[in-house]
Amino acid sequence: NAGVTQTPKFQVLKTGQSMTLQCAQDMNHEYMSWYRQDPGMGLRLIHYSVGAGITDQGEVPNGYNVSRSTTEDFPLRLLSAAPSQTSVYFCASSILNRGRIANTGELFFGEGSRLTVL
Amino acid sequence: KNEVEQSPQNLTAQEGEFITINCSYSVGISALHWLQQHPGGGIVSLFMLSSGKKKHGRLIATINIQEKHSSLHITASHPRDSAVYICAVLSYNTDKLIFGTGTRLQVFP
Repeated sequence: NAGVTQTPKFQVLKTGQSMTLQCAQDMNHEYMSWYRQDPGMGLRLIHYSVGAGITDQGEVPNGYNVSRSTTEDFPLRLLSAAPSQTSVYFCASSILNRGRIANTGELFFGEGSRLTVL
Repeated sequence: KNEVEQSPQNLTAQEGEFITINCSYSVGISALHWLQQHPGGGIVSLFMLSSGKKKHGRLIATINIQEKHSSLHITASHPRDSAVYICAVLSYNTDKLIFGTGTRLQVFP
């Protein structure tokens, strides 16, 4: 198993450009999520999904779009990049069993994507 | 007030010391995760807890659901334990993961 594969690892964009960060997992995990990590701040949830066809907003969704057409893939799209989106982005996945108290398993993270918007 | 609070924010220890990192949360949860991030590195899951206590090698994690509190202990700390330790909770109502800001641990030889 490859785990969680996140690409690209590094990207430099100009203000206004668009791009997609890719996230794929081969563990059949229902739960997938995107975070940004900025200096001095904890990880902040951008968008998440509890299964194919289902997405929801996290703490900082503005400027980002997601889709979940398959269980395996959860791409994050920046439609018009802004310098405020300069950050390190992480994708994560886990199992999610609804209706149970212990309903998540171990979290698996991608290696991170360092994005700079000039 | 943040929904997940970690303390201390920074921690320095001598090799061999017993380390405790605390996490308090204010929401109903279905799981709590402890994560480790080395400088410039990726994020690795250490524990997932919904009750009681778990142990992996020198690491022990406990959770008290009634008090909404969890602790991560490191016995016989080693310089390679130097990292940021992050607490995250899965909200029972929203399925959202909420993260603490992390505890930066430095262990000196």
